[in-house]
Amino acid sequence: ETGVTQTPRHLVMGMTNKKSLKCEQHLGHNAMYWYKQSAKKPLELMFVYNFKEQTENNSVPSRFSPECPNSSHLFLHLHTLQPEDSALYLCASSHPGWGLSTDTQYFGPGTRLTVL
Amino acid sequence: AQKVTQAQTEISVVEKEDVTLDCVYETRDTTYYLFWYKQPPSGELVFLIRRNSFDEQNEISGRYSWNFQKSTSSFNFTITASQVVDSAVYFCALSGDTEYNAGGTSYGKLTFGQGTILTVHP
Repeated sequence: ETGVTQTPRHLVMGMTNKKSLKCEQHLGHNAMYWYKQSAKKPLELMFVYNFKEQTENNSVPSRFSPECPNSSHLFLHLHTLQPEDSALYLCASSHPGWGLSTDTQYFGPGTRLTVL
Repeated sequence: AQKVTQAQTEISVVEKEDVTLDCVYETRDTTYYLFWYKQPPSGELVFLIRRNSFDEQNEISGRYSWNFQKSTSSFNFTITASQVVDSAVYFCALSGDTEYNAGGTSYGKLTFGQGTILTVHP
């Protein structure tokens, strides 16, 4: 496979469930990102990992727990979510540069999450 | 703080019409990057273009063209002879602040606009 893949593509869960979203990138990148896209809102950056080290946590509630075991894989563990957490969760990756270089982020297809 | 404004929430055109999507940005950075992404109904954000702040040349790629004007802080996107397959949400984004981790590398932090929903009717 090429690019950035995400599984599952759709997920329905109850508020007491525990589930995980998976992201895998085949681009040789070292930075990976989780975004949340809710209806009528701009994309919100949730977490950033750079060389497996978490460098950003954008005030995300603790019911979302990221994990980055290596530069190719990123997980988002979910537990005791709320209905307002229903959204499209997008994963992205980029090749971090040196100095002031900013490389392009490439996105996966997203996981459409519905919390009942 | 950075800000990206896409004032057009929705645009509807008929096939073969030209359409321009507006993007206005705010940043205090001297060096920054501007992006356009396309999000079709499938959900994936597809990268279209990246432009750095020192390059004000307009760019054309097939039916797509981009007009970067630093003086007005705008980075507009034009689709010529639109097609039904162009129907999607289009996002303009800005990256200017770089962050450094202990390894000394940086990553881009994107600020997205609200997006413009483009519908092209047959």
